[in-house]
Amino acid sequence: DAMVIQNPRYQVTQFGKPVTLSCSQTLNHNVMYWYQQKSSQAPKLLFHYYDKDFNNEADTPDNFQSRRPNTSFCFLDIRSPGLGDAAMYLCATSRDLRRGGYEQYFGPGTRLTVT
Amino acid sequence: GNSVTQMEGPVTLSEEAFLTINCTYTATGYPSLFWYVQYPGEGLQLLLKATKADDKGSNKGFEATYRKETTSFHLEKGSVQVSDSAVYFCALTSGNTPLVFGKGTRLSVIA
Repeated sequence: DAMVIQNPRYQVTQFGKPVTLSCSQTLNHNVMYWYQQKSSQAPKLLFHYYDKDFNNEADTPDNFQSRRPNTSFCFLDIRSPGLGDAAMYLCATSRDLRRGGYEQYFGPGTRLTVT
Repeated sequence: GNSVTQMEGPVTLSEEAFLTINCTYTATGYPSLFWYVQYPGEGLQLLLKATKADDKGSNKGFEATYRKETTSFHLEKGSVQVSDSAVYFCALTSGNTPLVFGKGTRLSVIA
């Protein structure tokens, strides 16, 4: 089945130790998103890629970076995780954002623990 | 800017009770409206959507009608089940913007 896949589902890292979360999709969607979600709050958009164009939200800390080497894959890098970065990280995809109205498809999330 | 306001939770209902979760929005242009559901430990799943005024989205017994005059998209279900216990998010997209979410409403259904 076409889907959005996130690996790993659970990640434990140490304070200050860089960590990378990965997302892949078989939907061939143009747009990929990374969200941070804490304690069943609303997901907070960190950034999104429209094809290779990177769009950073104004309040996303510099500690968070992203890479999209091809249509199918997108990575979230946290350069120096702090205790406040412990959260669920959700990847999502959608079709052509410019045409509007398209729903986003979410992966199952990666739960990050920082020790 | 675009925003979504949904009723505060948690909401606790007995099985077979009627459910309403209110959602109102502010948006420029003509937004598309969505309800997403999140079960414990999982990602968000699209529950239903409506892309223009007076459209009704429906899925798994849930319904919501896009009301432009009241800028609302309330979620309803006639008879909830224990398996409906989850967090529900109202969301919108307008033009070329990513989804804007409400804060979520936690629903607990007890047998």
